[in-house]
Amino acid sequence: GENVEQHPSTLSVQEGDSAVIKCTYSDSASNYFPWYKQELGKRPQLIIDIRSNVGEKKDQRIAVTLNKTAKHFSLHITETQPEDSAVYFCAASSTDRDDKIIFGKGTRLHILP
Amino acid sequence: EAQVTQNPRYLITVTGKKLTVTCSQNMNHEYMSWYRQDPGLGLRQIYYSMNVEVTDKGDVPEGYKVSRKEKRNFPLILESPSPNQTSLYFCASSPGQGRDTEAFFGQGTRLTVV
Repeated sequence: GENVEQHPSTLSVQEGDSAVIKCTYSDSASNYFPWYKQELGKRPQLIIDIRSNVGEKKDQRIAVTLNKTAKHFSLHITETQPEDSAVYFCAASSTDRDDKIIFGKGTRLHILP
Repeated sequence: EAQVTQNPRYLITVTGKKLTVTCSQNMNHEYMSWYRQDPGLGLRQIYYSMNVEVTDKGDVPEGYKVSRKEKRNFPLILESPSPNQTSLYFCASSPGQGRDTEAFFGQGTRLTVV
């Protein structure tokens, strides 16, 4: 089955700097890669996603890149702000097969003042 | 308003006392699943369901049961809870059938088994 590895587990960046979180997946059939943000005490919520037919997607300060050959994808947050502090989860899914979503273990992002 | 509703939000129970955590969605989603969240372990899938009367084990199904008698409801049952099932539980739903698979999560249920 699919296995998703996520690094780092904890990341601290100065406010205004960029943050990068990386994930790898094992199943070449995976074709959908969402990223979720979980603020303290709240539920995970989708912030951006990418499909396997696209190499990069951007939404304001957030971007995701996908390298299908290497089976890795990354989340990039630029000009970080205090409200970016949260736990971020990457995930992989095969919409052609069973829609099962496998999550990485999460990255706790701290934005330092 | 589109939502996934879990109940209860908080529960403290004793070892061995059967309990059910309810989950309901109003988006006509076909795919529903249960996760537990533990520090350092992320979101681990317990059970999932691709449609009514179709359920399957996730990565950590031991000690749990589910049912999907109706499309909107997907209860999680702990027949004989044990302390190692103390965790934060999330129900989630998504459209399924290969469509946009954004998962919508419930508010979470914090369970403590003593």
